Amino acid sequence: EAQVTQNPRYLITVTGKKLTVTCSQNMNHEYMSWYRQDPGLGLRQIYYSMNVEVTDKGDVPEGYKVSRKEKRNFPLILESPSPNQTSLYFCASSGSPGTEETQYFGPGTRLLVL
Amino acid sequence: LAKTTQPISMDSYEGQEVNITCSHNNIATNDYITWYQQFPSQGPRFIIQGYKTKVTNEVASLFIPADRKSSTLSLPRVSLSDTAVYYCLVGGSNQGGKLIFGQGTELSVKP
Repeated sequence: EAQVTQNPRYLITVTGKKLTVTCSQNMNHEYMSWYRQDPGLGLRQIYYSMNVEVTDKGDVPEGYKVSRKEKRNFPLILESPSPNQTSLYFCASSGSPGTEETQYFGPGTRLLVL
Repeated sequence: LAKTTQPISMDSYEGQEVNITCSHNNIATNDYITWYQQFPSQGPRFIIQGYKTKVTNEVASLFIPADRKSSTLSLPRVSLSDTAVYYCLVGGSNQGGKLIFGQGTELSVKP
């Protein structure tokens, strides 16, 4: 089954404790992206990757890191989480962004930073 | 990057047709228009996509006028299960990978 998976689905942590949210897709997509979603603000892009070893900032990259060492994986790293990073996070993938190929989204990771 | 504007919310009743319009005045030549549906605590799901004129699939229609500065998602005969947030996204390969979602339209379908 074609899908995007994220882990963990729920995470409670404390300020400053490094964490990683994994994202994996099994559709051989070149493009992957991370979004955060907050009430009243819709979906905001954090980082995206056009292909392996190619990453770039989205609209809200501050406080986040990503890496794309393999085509199927695109982990999101919070080196020193802060309470304002409490949010719902989505990973997505597609063949080509914004063209006739649509994005497939993961189930989401709900993060609470205390 | 093309910015989109949609109504914040809409109400409807079961069995009615719902039309949600998205404005994207600075759409670029090779931008596609894509609509997504999102239920609470789930990832957005693709509904329909188009470039110009009209596109129809099994769940919706998408109307795009000749100037492409707006688009209208049409949901025929909505049911309670169509209650969700609907996002319009405009993007093309010339923007690289940067995509900007609008704030979405929260559709509430009542019995």
